[in-house]
Amino acid sequence: KAGVTQTPRYLIKTRGQQVTLSCSPISGHRSVSWYQQTPGQGLQFLFEYFSETQRNKGNFPGRFSGRQFSNSRSEMNVSTLELGDSALYLCASSVTGRETQYFGPGTRLLVL
Amino acid sequence: AQKVTQAQTEISVVEKEDVTLDCVYETRDTTYYLFWYKQPPSGELVFLIRRNSFDEQNEISGRYSWNFQKSTSSFNFTITASQVVDSAVYFCALRPDPGANSKLTFGKGITLSVRP
Repeated sequence: KAGVTQTPRYLIKTRGQQVTLSCSPISGHRSVSWYQQTPGQGLQFLFEYFSETQRNKGNFPGRFSGRQFSNSRSEMNVSTLELGDSALYLCASSVTGRETQYFGPGTRLLVL
Repeated sequence: AQKVTQAQTEISVVEKEDVTLDCVYETRDTTYYLFWYKQPPSGELVFLIRRNSFDEQNEISGRYSWNFQKSTSSFNFTITASQVVDSAVYFCALRPDPGANSKLTFGKGITLSVRP
């Protein structure tokens, strides 16, 4: 079975721009969660989608948003990028959200 | 509120040594899950083990073993006969159960360096 895939793997943007990251979960997995990893804050939960609905949300500003499609693929969007948004963004999938989450390779975002 | 503490930040060992990674957690939930993930330099978080709060049986899987003690809220992970390929950052994580809350709360991670 193919693992979780994320695109793009690397991204460079400038302040004020917006960015969209994509995540394709493991086949059959309907829950997709997003995490942000920075050296200072560590791994922090952004949000979770299940059956095209946001089910849980972390403590991030409204500039961070996401969505999930009928095929369970998910995208997250960050608008009006700030320098502090530079991070590794990890996506994880599980069947319903109650099982072990399996992570993708991440997207490294650098904001200049 | 959930909290995971990994007091060790960096550990360096010589190949073939045994190494134990410590994890202490806080939660008000009566049932929960605990995890260990490994993050090699490539960045992907690799799932290692999962334990639920009502099963304190400790197990060994190959070179990995874990010690879950609910009384001290600890979930320690041991690598026996370490190898250079074990060099990575190791994260302990906590997730409440039951309910539709998949949020993982992670510790800060432990950087393990295994020298040849």
